[in-house]
Amino acid sequence: SQTIHQWPATLVQPVGSPLSLECTVEGTSNPNLYWYRQAAGRGLQLLFYSVGIGQISSEVPQNLSASRPQDRQFILSSKKLLLSDSGFYLCAWRGDSLFYGYTFGSGTRLTVV
Amino acid sequence: AQTVTQSQPEMSVQEAETVTLSCTYDTSESDYYLFWYKQPPSRQMILVIRQEAYKQQNATENRFSVNFQKAAKSFSLKISDSQLGDAAMYFCAQGEKTSYDKVIFGPGTSLSVIP
Repeated sequence: SQTIHQWPATLVQPVGSPLSLECTVEGTSNPNLYWYRQAAGRGLQLLFYSVGIGQISSEVPQNLSASRPQDRQFILSSKKLLLSDSGFYLCAWRGDSLFYGYTFGSGTRLTVV
Repeated sequence: AQTVTQSQPEMSVQEAETVTLSCTYDTSESDYYLFWYKQPPSRQMILVIRQEAYKQQNATENRFSVNFQKAAKSFSLKISDSQLGDAAMYFCAQGEKTSYDKVIFGPGTSLSVIP
């Protein structure tokens, strides 16, 4: 079966520290992968998406970057976190077709202090 | 550009009653999907219902149904016989059929169910 894993679940980081959030998908190959951020009480903002290894597209220029070093691995990073980077980060995977919508990971709650 | 609007930040419904959540969207594409996702307090995103833009018939999933008005770019969700477990954030979303299949979400509606 196809599953998506996202970690860590919770993270508290000081301002100026680096960030690395990881997302992996099992049971499929060459998936479309997506990173979203959800600010407190708000909707989901698309940050990055990838249709293959090394292919990254950015939706919103900001303090974050993404990488896809392996087919089923998607990483969200920052060299120096800002207070405004706090939020709930969700990784999503598109199934065989957009007809099935996205399957989401369980999310990472990031608090920058 | 894709945009999705939900004009009701908060809604409430009595248990066993019916509630309708509103959504409008904008796209230049003619072929796309529309979705309603539910986010309970656990924050896990759950797909509730989908609608293919080229299908005129409104989608239905058990107690959940949609009213899809393509010309008006409106996509509302009706929840019948509301249950306590329906309390959650509900997000309307629109996805264009391209090689990227990006899905854009609205700001959400927080639904409370009153026992």
